[in-house]
Amino acid sequence: EAGVVQSPRYKIIEKKQPVAFWCNPISGHNTLYWYLQNLGQGPELLIRYENEEAVDDSQLPKDRFSAERLKGVDSTLKIQPAELGDSAVYLCASSYGNTNTEAFFGQGTRLTVV
Amino acid sequence: KQEVTQIPAALSVPEGENLVLNCSFTDSAIYNLQWFRQDPGKGLTSLLLIQSSQREQTSGRLNASLDKSSGRSTLYIAASQPGDSATYLCAGTGANSKLTFGKGITLSVRP
Repeated sequence: EAGVVQSPRYKIIEKKQPVAFWCNPISGHNTLYWYLQNLGQGPELLIRYENEEAVDDSQLPKDRFSAERLKGVDSTLKIQPAELGDSAVYLCASSYGNTNTEAFFGQGTRLTVV
Repeated sequence: KQEVTQIPAALSVPEGENLVLNCSFTDSAIYNLQWFRQDPGKGLTSLLLIQSSQREQTSGRLNASLDKSSGRSTLYIAASQPGDSATYLCAGTGANSKLTFGKGITLSVRP
C-alpha cells in the first residue's frame, strides 16, 4: 500500500513568487494535516482537515497561505507571495479517525526561497 | 498549551549499547504518544504509538513507555546499531487531534 505522497520533493523559488504543494493521503484516511518544519525544530501544525472541512487552521498565516482539500482526498497548500522566511520543509500527514490513531507522514517538500 | 521537551538534543553512543531517549510533556491529558524517526532530508517514519490507556509498546528492538501522571515517555533501543543513527521525535496528541512535537534527539551510533 502506498504511503502519503507529496510533490514536489524540492522547490526553489524567488521571493514574492507563488508556490503550491500537493499531498495525496493514504487511501481511506479522513484526517489530513499540513505541518511546517524548520531546521532543527519539530514539525508545527499549519492546518488539519477532517474530510473536506478545515477543522483547525488557527496556525495558518492566512494573509499568504491557503489550503484546500476538495472531495476530502488530495490536498494543496499554497503560498502567495513567498517570503524568505518561508524556507522550510512542508510535511503532509494523514490518519484514520482522530485522536487515537497513528499518523503517517509523507517525505515532505523542501522549499527554498531566494 | 501542550509543550513537549526532548533532552539532550544530541547523543552519541558506541555500537551495541542499550540506550534510552526521553520525552516530557506538560499536559497529561493526551490521547496518545507517538515516536517517530527522521533521517536527514526525509519525512517522519512512525515507530510506535502508545494509547493513553497503555503503559508501553514494543516493536523489535524498540520499546516505548508512557507515564501520563509524570508527563514522561521513554524510547528504549536495545543493542544499538549504526543504522539506528537518525533524529527521534516524540509527539503527544491532544483532544483536538493536534500532534505537538518535541525538537527531537539526534542519535549517532558509532561503529
